[in-house]
Amino acid sequence: DAKTTQPPSMDCAEGRAANLPCNHSTISGNEYVYWYRQIHSQGPQYIIHGLKNNETNEMASLIITEDRKSSTLILPHATLRDTAVYYCTRLNRDDKIIFGKGTRLHILP
Amino acid sequence: DAGVIQSPRHEVTEMGQEVTLRCKPISGHDYLFWYRQTMMRGLELLIYFNNNVPIDDSGMPEDRFSAKMPNASFSTLKIQPSEPRDSAVYFCASSLKDTQHFGDGTRLSIL
Repeated sequence: DAKTTQPPSMDCAEGRAANLPCNHSTISGNEYVYWYRQIHSQGPQYIIHGLKNNETNEMASLIITEDRKSSTLILPHATLRDTAVYYCTRLNRDDKIIFGKGTRLHILP
Repeated sequence: DAGVIQSPRHEVTEMGQEVTLRCKPISGHDYLFWYRQTMMRGLELLIYFNNNVPIDDSGMPEDRFSAKMPNASFSTLKIQPSEPRDSAVYFCASSLKDTQHFGDGTRLSIL
């Protein structure tokens, strides 16, 4: 049980911002939200993580709601190479990440 | 900077044969994870190690599966005997504290 909910698929036009939502309404206070992506036939790749503050790195931004029940991953200027399955996950106290089915993001030229 | 290295990249064998998958984690990482990915079940955690010690093997499907980590730089996942339903992509990942780094996987086909 991944304990996160994501839409199965999304489309985004190339050059536009891709906003991927995730619901994690049962998250506990010490659990981090992690985002990974998997490009076809490769292993998952770490993108970003956060606890309660918004985070930004060279790949993406992570916006976590104040109640921590949901978050949004933002790819500011999507390119065709961002086409992948995006996983929103939680790191629990047992150090295990349970992957759900993710969101299949299609970047349209 | 070498990432997680898995071998072989592809394996095709007949059912009943023993299969051994290998993983070299990133140097200095103290956690190692084995995952299996199929279309039906997605990405499943099979087992993970901390400092070479198995911590949780609850995801290992049955006794035909075994995993070892004899030292900090090497781990194996063995299936004996193999069955067609074991066909999948097997990923190894390593981490230091929390961010996992994945290898490119081994695509296993059991005929």
